Amino acid sequence: SAVISQKPSRDICQRGTSLTIQCQVDSQVTMMFWYRQQPGQSLTLIATANQGSEATYESGFVIDKFPISRPNLTFSTLTVSNMSPEDSSIYLCSVGQGVRNGYTFGSGTRLTVV
Amino acid sequence: QKEVEQNSGPLSVPEGAIASLNCTYSDRVSQSFFWYRQYSGKSPELIMSIYSNGDKEDGRFTAQLNKASQYVSLLIRDSQPSDSATYLCASYSGAGSYQLTFGKGTKLSVIP
Repeated sequence: SAVISQKPSRDICQRGTSLTIQCQVDSQVTMMFWYRQQPGQSLTLIATANQGSEATYESGFVIDKFPISRPNLTFSTLTVSNMSPEDSSIYLCSVGQGVRNGYTFGSGTRLTVV
Repeated sequence: QKEVEQNSGPLSVPEGAIASLNCTYSDRVSQSFFWYRQYSGKSPELIMSIYSNGDKEDGRFTAQLNKASQYVSLLIRDSQPSDSATYLCASYSGAGSYQLTFGKGTKLSVIP
């Protein structure tokens, strides 16, 4: 399965600032996703990162708040913009290598907004 | 709306026993199902996938799928304290989207 490097692993940020999270995969993958996991909760899909085109956002998530880049098939970034304490969460990137093989997750970014 | 339902637990079993984790899904066209294990503070790790009716075994883990009942389960035999984690059930329905739908997870505690 693909190996994913996600960074930073954690950060503490001031409200009103932005943080960019990077996800690097060791092989080319078609499907790449960004998830959020709030404390004690399951995974919520933020968006699908599409290579060469705009990301596809889920209901409740907008591009202005969570801009995503996907310049090639091995790399993506998620920016959390104009942060508030409600954005404190774990953010995870995930890649798929065939729906029967399941998806692999990065190690996650634990974000605390103060 | 696609939903995956799991009992949140906690489910406590003694060491050496069989742990049974259950999951139901609402989208009848769901094609593939996955069980992820998530240790506290860690990211989810895929442990089993299943897409055909019946049982699929991998070591101490057995996944069971019943599409008629829209039911998926995970059995862990000879449970070990290291199996203590939250287990997430996920489904894939296709239909133009590659995303997975996750349940809220069941917390399993294996008591030594």
